[in-house]
Amino acid sequence: EAQVTQNPRYLITVTGKKLTVTCSQNMNHEYMSWYRQDPGLGLRQIYYSMNVEVTDKGDVPEGYKVSRKEKRNFPLILESPSPNQTSLYFCASSLSVGRAKQSTDTQYFGPGTRLTVL
Amino acid sequence: AQSVTQLGSHVSVSEGALVLLRCNYSSSVPPYLFWYVQYPNQGLQLLLKYTTGATLVKGINGFEAEFKKSETSFHLTKPSAHMSDAAEYFCAVSEGNTGTASKLTFGTGTRLQVTL
Repeated sequence: EAQVTQNPRYLITVTGKKLTVTCSQNMNHEYMSWYRQDPGLGLRQIYYSMNVEVTDKGDVPEGYKVSRKEKRNFPLILESPSPNQTSLYFCASSLSVGRAKQSTDTQYFGPGTRLTVL
Repeated sequence: AQSVTQLGSHVSVSEGALVLLRCNYSSSVPPYLFWYVQYPNQGLQLLLKYTTGATLVKGINGFEAEFKKSETSFHLTKPSAHMSDAAEYFCAVSEGNTGTASKLTFGTGTRLQVTL
């Protein structure tokens, strides 16, 4: 089954304790992205990756890191989490990217990771 | 820069009534427009999208949306609401083939409530 998976689905942690949220897709998609969803703010992009070893900042990258060592995986790293990073996080992927290509491809979303930082 | 405005954070309709969720966008280039739905405790699922061609787009579950360039709108409609339509709906815009491939900018969402 084609899907985007995220782990963990729920996480409660404390300020300053490093954590990683994993994201994996089995559709051979080039493009992957992380969003956070907050009440009244919709979804905001944190980081995105157009292909292996190519990542770039989204709209709200502060306090986050990502890596793209393999095409299928795009982990989100919080080196020193703070309470303002309490949120619902979504990973998404889509097939094609590139300046010569049109971004008509649908983005497929993972089920979300609810993070609470105390 | 692109942006999306969804009018009404909460919309309530009776079962069987018309559903109308409003979305206006701003984009410096011809946009690609999307509607996503989020059911409780789930990720986002694509309802429909407009890229080029026919301005009336039909999606899943009986939803449709019409791209109106003159009004910079992409409102979502469904003729008859069903209880299972209760969810949060997000409008999104991307800049198409301008080089920022696949970057979506989302609206703040509209929660649809369906009552008996």
